[in-house]
This record gives sequence, C-alpha cells and structure tokens, in this order.
Amino acid sequence: GQNIDQPTEMTATEGAIVQINCTYQTSGFNGLFWYQQHAGEAPTFLSYNVLDGLEEKGRFSSFLSRSKGYSYLLLKELQMKDSASYLCAVKAAGNKLTFGGGTRVLVKP
Amino acid sequence: GAVVSQHPSWVICKSGTSVKIECRSLDFQATTMFWYRQFPKQSLMLMATSNEGSKATYEQGVEKDKFLINHASLTLSTLTVTSAHPEDSSFYICSSTLAERYNEQFFGPGTRLTVL
Repeated sequence: GQNIDQPTEMTATEGAIVQINCTYQTSGFNGLFWYQQHAGEAPTFLSYNVLDGLEEKGRFSSFLSRSKGYSYLLLKELQMKDSASYLCAVKAAGNKLTFGGGTRVLVKP
Repeated sequence: GAVVSQHPSWVICKSGTSVKIECRSLDFQATTMFWYRQFPKQSLMLMATSNEGSKATYEQGVEKDKFLINHASLTLSTLTVTSAHPEDSSFYICSSTLAERYNEQFFGPGTRLTVL
C-alpha cells in the first residue's frame, strides 16, 4: 500500500523560514513532487525530486532521501501570499500520484 | 504550455440528476488524464486514470457505474457523476501529464459540485 505523512498545519511569521516534512512508504518510487494549493484552486507545481539531495529554486527548496523515505520542502523569506496548503505526492507505479494529506501553512505578519 | 481547463467551474444540481464535467488539454495532446476528488480540508484522492480510446482504470472503492469517464479524443476527457447525491458534493480536479517534463502533472482549475 501507499502511505504518505505530513503535518496537518504549521504557522510561521512573515520573513521567517518554514520546513514541511514528508515521510512516505510506497510500493515503488519514481519521484516525489511538491505542490502548492490555495483554497478553492488547483494545485500548482513547486518541485520534483527523484535523486537524493537538495533542489533549490528561488525561495523554495526541496530535499529527498530515498533510503529514509523522507523529503522536506523549505520555504524561505516567507510572504503572506505563501499561506496555502502544501501537498507532498509520490509517483510510484506508472504516472499515478499518491498525495499526502497536505500541510496548511499560515503566515502571520 | 501545458494548460488544462475544466468546465464548468462550479455546478449546483438536485439530488438524482447527472452532471458532466469536461477536462481539456488546451495546448498539448493528453493520452492520459487523471480525475481526482477533494473533500474540504483534505488532500486529493485519485478516482481514475483516463486513457484516450480505451476504458478508464478506476481506483479501489470508486464505482465505475456512478462515475462515468469518457476520453474520446486526445484533448478531452469527461467525467459524468450519475444520480448524484449530497455525499458526492466535492471539488473534482483533472490533470494530465507531459512526458517531456518527467511526467509532471498539470492540473485543471477544478469543478466545485454541490448536490442539494
């Protein structure tokens, strides 16, 4: 079966850094995605990791450790517009994505 | 590129009626599309994988006779919720993949279904 865990909610202050952890246990692994989703909208792509290590893209970075079944999304220099849900998703067999429950991040002034 | 649209963006219907939701890839050909359902404050749950020209593959627990999927062309897949009931009220999102971008999924804007 597929099991993907991430915290339900996190709160941080504008300008700070927040790290969202994701652990997974899946039958097969072909990559891990992070998506951002604002309420009532579709998810938008943030990052993709298939090899171990850190991928940096502007204020957002994503890390993967396949041996530990672990990833994190790092959001730096938080802005109010970063308040959203962040979804961790694993591509196991084929092109199917299995999503974690999502982490709601609230950025406070 | 890789834009996916959905229509309608929201729909309200009476219990017992059927509702059709369209998913279109606007600037690429989508041999595979995915249909998800998302309940409030929950994550996306894959309902089915829609393949152009063949039958859809449904996830365990999803009734194929209730959620009819048709993928008759490379740019259009439809999801019909038959005999809708209030418990079917949800946010329905489709997506498609682009092979040349490591099969990244591009999501449509979603359809909010409310069944009275």
